[in-house]
Amino acid sequence: QSALTQPASVSGSPGQSITISCTGTASDIEGFNLVSWYQQHPGKAPKLLIYEGNKRPSGVSNRFSGSKSGNPASLTISGLQAEDEADYYCCSYEGTVIFGGGTKLTVL
Amino acid sequence: QVQLQESGPGLVKPSQTLSLTCTVSGDSINSGNYYWSWIRQSAGKGLEWIGRMYTSGSTNYNPSLKSRVTISIETSKNQVSLKLSSVTAADTAVYYCARGLGTDWYFHLWGRGTLVTVSS
Repeated sequence: QSALTQPASVSGSPGQSITISCTGTASDIEGFNLVSWYQQHPGKAPKLLIYEGNKRPSGVSNRFSGSKSGNPASLTISGLQAEDEADYYCCSYEGTVIFGGGTKLTVL
Repeated sequence: QVQLQESGPGLVKPSQTLSLTCTVSGDSINSGNYYWSWIRQSAGKGLEWIGRMYTSGSTNYNPSLKSRVTISIETSKNQVSLKLSSVTAADTAVYYCARGLGTDWYFHLWGRGTLVTVSS
């Protein structure tokens, strides 16, 4: 079972943009329609932000976007807001579902 | 709206079987082409997918847990259940119930989770 690697932490100021990378093996990530991203606030359940690489569920802000090509996959958050401070996880599938280790976003 | 609520013992002894239930409210568990998954989160290993089940009875399990896991659905009660046998301290985690769609491998609806501690 392969692993997805994310930076442990990223930070940014309100209004700025940040990008979180998700590095996996070629077979994990090249199937980009299998990459999803989740946001998790402390003590809460994860929330789906991005699926199939770059699609947003209804109700998710267009400030969140996902990459559709290249390895690593990435999640970009533009116009950072205080409420974006949370943990972010990437997820993919290669024989089984695998999650990245998570990235803690701090809004300065 | 559809909500998922996990329930079960918060403390399980080593070597015993962990049993949890996810109750679906706001819709029938049979509606749509959905599947029902269990995912856990521990401090040491982050998020870990356990497995999924369709109301048709079809299942997929994480190979690392497959020998110890059983997921079942009781449609009359609108519930999904998880049984994990021969537990150890490494199975201590918050356990989430989640819903996915069709053959996709992402989870668009999650329960709030329930903490299970394995300790004597």
